[in-house]
Amino acid sequence: GAVVSQHPSWVICKSGTSVKIECRSLDFQATTMFWYRQFPKQSLMLMATSNEGSKATYEQGVEKDKFLINHASLTLSTLTVTSAHPEDSSFYICSASSGGWETQYFGPGTRLLVL
Amino acid sequence: TQLLEQSPQFLSIQEGENLTVYCNSSSVFSSLQWYRQEPGEGPVLLVTVVTGGEVKKLKRLTFQFGDARKDSSLHITAAQPGDTGLYLCAGGRRSNDYKLSFGAGTTVTVRA
Repeated sequence: GAVVSQHPSWVICKSGTSVKIECRSLDFQATTMFWYRQFPKQSLMLMATSNEGSKATYEQGVEKDKFLINHASLTLSTLTVTSAHPEDSSFYICSASSGGWETQYFGPGTRLLVL
Repeated sequence: TQLLEQSPQFLSIQEGENLTVYCNSSSVFSSLQWYRQEPGEGPVLLVTVVTGGEVKKLKRLTFQFGDARKDSSLHITAAQPGDTGLYLCAGGRRSNDYKLSFGAGTTVTVRA
């Protein structure tokens, strides 16, 4: 089956620092990767969509300068939370698909805690 | 407002009982997926349905996509404690570049 990994699995940082989260598709080429955040007891909210080699498309209300996304290759996308604040603490999950209507496969998530 | 409405929000049953989770919308979807998520982990895909009226079975789980592709259901027969988890439905539409819209989720607890 399709496997997607995320690193790190959890991170604790001080307010004001930047944090980078990696998302990798291990056994298929992901032309499209998605980034979600999930608050406790809530569902997944799409933050942005990235296509390999293109700029990411952000959902309404998501600050593109705050959440920098780079999809440099067909197997790797990164999300950088810049100048993190406690309200950015959340569970960040990526997914990857071969594009179009193809099924999205999700990573295991990254728990971010900003102190 | 959620594009996909899931019901019930919580479900607690005894081992061996059956359960059904519903996912409804006023919108038509090109595809609909069901995922199960454990605490602290990412969602794991259970099934994808794309054809109106489609029924798929995965061991004790039966998934149905409505004829009009606006609703879906997940039925679990003889539930086991290992079925405990958060069940999420998610729909994709061609008009929205197939981005997934998630339901709020149904938390299922199966008591031994």
